[in-house]
Amino acid sequence: DAKTTQPPSMDCAEGRAANLPCNHSTISGNEYVYWYRQIHSQGPQYIIHGLKNNETNEMASLIITEDRKSSTLILPHATLRDTAVYYCIVRLLYGQNFVFGPGTRLSVLP
Amino acid sequence: EAGVAQSPRYKIIEKRQSVAFWCNPISGHATLYWYQQILGQGPKLLIQFQNNGVVDDSQLPKDRFSAERLKGVDSTLKIQPAKLEDSAVYLCASSPRARGETQYFGPGTRLLVL
Repeated sequence: DAKTTQPPSMDCAEGRAANLPCNHSTISGNEYVYWYRQIHSQGPQYIIHGLKNNETNEMASLIITEDRKSSTLILPHATLRDTAVYYCIVRLLYGQNFVFGPGTRLSVLP
Repeated sequence: EAGVAQSPRYKIIEKRQSVAFWCNPISGHATLYWYQQILGQGPKLLIQFQNNGVVDDSQLPKDRFSAERLKGVDSTLKIQPAKLEDSAVYLCASSPRARGETQYFGPGTRLLVL
């Protein structure tokens, strides 16, 4: 079973920041938080991952709370192409498989 | 760098027929995964190969599903005989090392069993 809880769906206005929450209250000290997204009719695409420090790359930012029980994926300026299902996954960096939950369906509205 | 290739993209068959899917991973990636994704759900791992050996097939319904990875490169996933509940997207992914830092997914094969 997935170790994370995400809202089933969210809307965001085009050009605004999209903030996708994820709860992982049972995360262990050496487990990372990963985010993938799946655009319609495509395979999942890696976005970002982190352990406890906030992370940023060209796609998104990942904010992890100090107690590591929750995190937020931020798409700073959402576009229509960001409409997708976003998956939050908790796992060790190596040695574990990815377990996908149902994710959050993000709809970016014009 | 070419991504993970899969074929066919779509397949429609009748129940009790057999079907096969093909995957070509990213060049040099030692690990290959097959996932099943039922509509509205996240992908579920079916089988994992490290080179041409099976690492994990605990969730593969072995009475009807089989997979092989000859020469540690391409892989095929077969269903024989198919059931209605096998209707799903079958995703192939690869990574440079076993259960590594990240996985790269192909576009998937959408199977409809009538």
